[in-house]
Amino acid sequence: SQQGEEDPQALSIQEGENATMNCSYKTSINNLQWYRQNSGRGLVHLILIRSNEREKHSGRLRVTLDTSKKSSSLLITASRAADTASYFCAKAGTALIFGKGTTLSVSS
Amino acid sequence: DVKVTQSSRYLVKRTGEKVFLECVQDMDHENMFWYRQDPGLGLRLIYFSYDVKMKEKGDIPEGYSVSREKKERFSLILESASTNQTSMYLCASSLFGASVNQPQHFGDGTRLSIL
Repeated sequence: SQQGEEDPQALSIQEGENATMNCSYKTSINNLQWYRQNSGRGLVHLILIRSNEREKHSGRLRVTLDTSKKSSSLLITASRAADTASYFCAKAGTALIFGKGTTLSVSS
Repeated sequence: DVKVTQSSRYLVKRTGEKVFLECVQDMDHENMFWYRQDPGLGLRLIYFSYDVKMKEKGDIPEGYSVSREKKERFSLILESASTNQTSMYLCASSLFGASVNQPQHFGDGTRLSIL
């Protein structure tokens, strides 16, 4: 399967803590996107990181990309209850190839 | 604001029925996609389309077909519904061309149950 693998599958933290989730593929990565999905809703695009970028920030989000390891990470700093959601990475292929997702639960 | 609308949030159908899932986008996007999402399996691409009357198979097209007669509308058809097609179906759209670097905009999904 070309699907990405995300680690951990589930993560529970307290408000204010940082959340880190990782994504890896078996095949090479060029550009990679991260999405969030709230329960029962569609996916929302968070950030795109290009192959020539190693790190990118957007608000409380920090994304890294290591093309040699075919992996990426998403760091959410100072988590809030509203960050509770599933997070998916997606790499460019013929169409986007999504990972299986990390479910983040942030409790107050 | 960008809007992708799926015709039903919840749908219950019977085995053997022909099922139509409709998706409309108001962003004049060329690309449209259909995914199914199952627990532990993530999103899997069923079909996609880069232009009107054009379609490409994704990873799991068996048992499905699609129709794109107008730019804004992309329909997913279950030819003869089976219980293993019970799933959440998500439609998405993105800007022109084969550029998969464009962000995709998703509808809220249709949760389909086949009894």
